[in-house]
Amino acid sequence: GAGVSQSPRYKVAKRGQDVALRCDPISGHVSLFWYQQALGQGPEFLTYFQNEAQLDKSGLPSDRFFAERPEGSVSTLKIQRTQQEDSAVYLCASSLSGQDYGYTFGSGTRLTVV
Amino acid sequence: TQLLEQSPQFLSIQEGENLTVYCNSSSVFSSLQWYRQEPGEGPVLLVTVVTGGEVKKLKRLTFQFGDARKDSSLHITAAQPGDTGLYLCAGGPFGNEKLTFGTGTRLTIIP
Repeated sequence: GAGVSQSPRYKVAKRGQDVALRCDPISGHVSLFWYQQALGQGPEFLTYFQNEAQLDKSGLPSDRFFAERPEGSVSTLKIQRTQQEDSAVYLCASSLSGQDYGYTFGSGTRLTVV
Repeated sequence: TQLLEQSPQFLSIQEGENLTVYCNSSSVFSSLQWYRQEPGEGPVLLVTVVTGGEVKKLKRLTFQFGDARKDSSLHITAAQPGDTGLYLCAGGPFGNEKLTFGTGTRLTIIP
């Protein structure tokens, strides 16, 4: 497609449940980023990939968070044993390699843990 | 950790007025970008500035990158209701694609 696609758009999970969030980047975009955004705040970096290689995962809040991009295209962010503090919007972005191109973001997945 | 502070945090003005949003850091950035985000959507890139002192204009929006590459401003002339949204600056360090986003400025233009 023409843009970055994320699914699902909304997810309600019971505390302790595992969730998987999917991101389809723009075709040909080498770099893929995951961010977490609290209401009214700027996005916070989680992790990023260049092709299938995860180059930086320093923003992942705990070992319950795991991201993969096995074929260098679609990426999945998995959260195990969800907690209430995991409730947020999870944004995926892709870009051609290099800062100057900027990011193209998806619409995000709003996760609510109850 | 590189922090980007934006001011003001909230701004509500009448249609037709001018405004400036500031983005400040103690860190030096390779590039600085501005995004606008509407409710329920991801941020959308407005501009990228890469040279210290650079000024870019996008219709009624003027973006400036500080000489020391630590700060930036966004000036909007004759604001319109369609300018309403969350404005985010984002800085990129040298040699790394990871962007650090600012704290955001929520702008409301009153018709």
